[in-house]
Amino acid sequence: ETGVTQTPRHLVMGMTNKKSLKCEQHLGHNAMYWYKQSAKKPLELMFVYSLEERVENNSVPSRFSPECPNSSHLFLHLHTLQPEDSALYLCASSQVNRVDTEAFFGQGTRLTVV
Amino acid sequence: GNSVTQMEGPVTLSEEAFLTINCTYTATGYPSLFWYVQYPGEGLQLLLKATKADDKGSNKGFEATYRKETTSFHLEKGSVQVSDSAVYFCAGKRSNTGNQFYFGTGTSLTVIP
Repeated sequence: ETGVTQTPRHLVMGMTNKKSLKCEQHLGHNAMYWYKQSAKKPLELMFVYSLEERVENNSVPSRFSPECPNSSHLFLHLHTLQPEDSALYLCASSQVNRVDTEAFFGQGTRLTVV
Repeated sequence: GNSVTQMEGPVTLSEEAFLTINCTYTATGYPSLFWYVQYPGEGLQLLLKATKADDKGSNKGFEATYRKETTSFHLEKGSVQVSDSAVYFCAGKRSNTGNQFYFGTGTSLTVIP
């Protein structure tokens, strides 16, 4: 496999459930990202793991919890979500400290909170 | 702070029309600039990029030139096709070796036969 792979592609969960989104990159990159894409809103950076250092957007609620066990895997743990958290969650990776590097995206997980 | 501003859509064009989607950037230093495309139900795919002033990125008939004097990176295509219907995002990266990307709000393009 190559590129950035996200699972599951679709997820429906109740507000009291706990679930996790998974992302795996096979590009040898050293930075991974979680983005939230909601209708008619800009792409929102939620979390960055870069060179094993975590950077986060302070506006992200604590019901979202990232985990990055190694440079190839990234998780987003979800608990007690709200309906407004329904969105497309995108994972991306890149190589830090290279001039020409871009972010490579997975296909996303479409999350619906009911 | 660093940001990009792109023209709002939606944009509707007839097949073979000329396309321009405007993008301007605000940054300290000289960011790398990108255009991404997103097809329905998919993630973002890199369309083209430029890493320094006067660079021209090109791919699949799309072009964009990094213009420092106007802080712009406008996307153009001479003759659009129905298959170009998608959402287009302008993006920048904080410094050339940084790890923080920032995105515009996206411009939806629909091409009609």
